[in-house]
Amino acid sequence: EVQLEESGGGLVHPGGSLRLSCAASGFSFSSYWMNWVRQAPGKGLEWVASIKQDGDEKYYVDSVKGRFLISRDNAKNSLYLQMNSLRVEDTAVYYCARDLCSSISCRPLGMDVWGQGTTVTVSS
Amino acid sequence: DIVMTQSPLSLSVTPGEPASISCRSSQSLLHRNGYNYLAWFLQKPGQSPQLLIYLVSNRASGVPDRFSGSGSGTDYTLKISRVEAEDVGVYYCMQALQTPGTFGPGTKVDIK
Repeated sequence: EVQLEESGGGLVHPGGSLRLSCAASGFSFSSYWMNWVRQAPGKGLEWVASIKQDGDEKYYVDSVKGRFLISRDNAKNSLYLQMNSLRVEDTAVYYCARDLCSSISCRPLGMDVWGQGTTVTVSS
Repeated sequence: DIVMTQSPLSLSVTPGEPASISCRSSQSLLHRNGYNYLAWFLQKPGQSPQLLIYLVSNRASGVPDRFSGSGSGTDYTLKISRVEAEDVGVYYCMQALQTPGTFGPGTKVDIK
């Protein structure tokens, strides 16, 4: 069964750091673009970051550039999001999501597999 | 940045009747490869989002054929031919022309 399981969420003070992890199973992790998408309480979806299969290309939404770092370990079938200098507005459920793009020549199309999400709360 | 808008923002539908959601982008989603990078998602209550449609009109695996997508350039439409009770939730369009992409504000669909 294709699965994504996030972990690492929690309560953190403004200015603090958290590292989210996503464990993938049931598919060839190294073949897919991977993404982090978040959803603030009662709000819509926001695509946060994306990483190419080999990790050589990374993209971020402007609001997290310079603060968040997406990475992956294909040997461990894992995706990560290092979040630094956290702000109250970063409070959200963070989803790990696999992209449809599974060849080296394609570009992200949309997320076809999603985890259940992990909650990050930034509050003093 | 590409801004996505949707209309209506809420929709109450009768089971068995059709429904339609519009999505507009602030610029064309046509890539030089000839594809329009527009996707649709449904987030059912209490669940993670699920992909319905990608590249405007391609249904994702397992998506019933009552869901269809159309459009090009800056204007897109998601149609449900006959709404079922399980179709309630929030529908989002998303542009993937730029990475990371942007989602529309969502259209909340409920059953009359």
